[in-house]
Amino acid sequence: ETGVTQTPRHLVMGMTNKKSLKCEQHLGHNAMYWYKQSAKKPLELMFVYNFKEQTENNSVPSRFSPECPNSSHLFLHLHTLQPEDSALYLCASSQEFLSYNEQFFGPGTRLTVL
Amino acid sequence: QKEVEQNSGPLSVPEGAIASLNCTYSDRGSQSFFWYRQYSGKSPELIMFIYSNGDKEDGRFTAQLNKASQYVSLLIRDSQPSDSATYLCAVNDAGGTSYGKLTFGQGTILTVHP
Repeated sequence: ETGVTQTPRHLVMGMTNKKSLKCEQHLGHNAMYWYKQSAKKPLELMFVYNFKEQTENNSVPSRFSPECPNSSHLFLHLHTLQPEDSALYLCASSQEFLSYNEQFFGPGTRLTVL
Repeated sequence: QKEVEQNSGPLSVPEGAIASLNCTYSDRGSQSFFWYRQYSGKSPELIMFIYSNGDKEDGRFTAQLNKASQYVSLLIRDSQPSDSATYLCAVNDAGGTSYGKLTFGQGTILTVHP
């Protein structure tokens, strides 16, 4: 496994619940990413934080709220989700938000919205 | 809408053969090209990256880039059953900037049969 960890690994929630996904990287990187991977669809970038500042929001609905308290930790707060939000949510990190920096992925959180 | 296209497969090759995976992209300003491997139920892991036109070899893997044709490929020589996975092509699509925003293709499923 890589130096990027995610918790929980599996999450089942109702549409009215509030939950949070956590990501931690132990690689000394400065950029962190949230991706969504749905069945039969390409990996989709959701948010990017570079040096704790949000630099990308890829038109993500407001029911997803990211938080980056420091360069090692990234959260995704979830509220009033829809069943179509069920997917694998992947966190990644890279040295910086630059085109030639490799992105390292965590194991993902499998989210099911009932 | 910037796109990255891959044949979804499945691509089936016999053990020991060469597997050829292809990817086309729409953003002429793209600077960086990545191939990720994703085993079922696992997160993507980087296997190759290429920035310059031509070939780049790493062990059994060769990445080929042709920016004029907006085409990048991955060759796997002496394919092994352990190479069976989904291969994701990723292209930086930051409009010719150096930012690390990646667009992923939908992936090609490769099966290597004994």
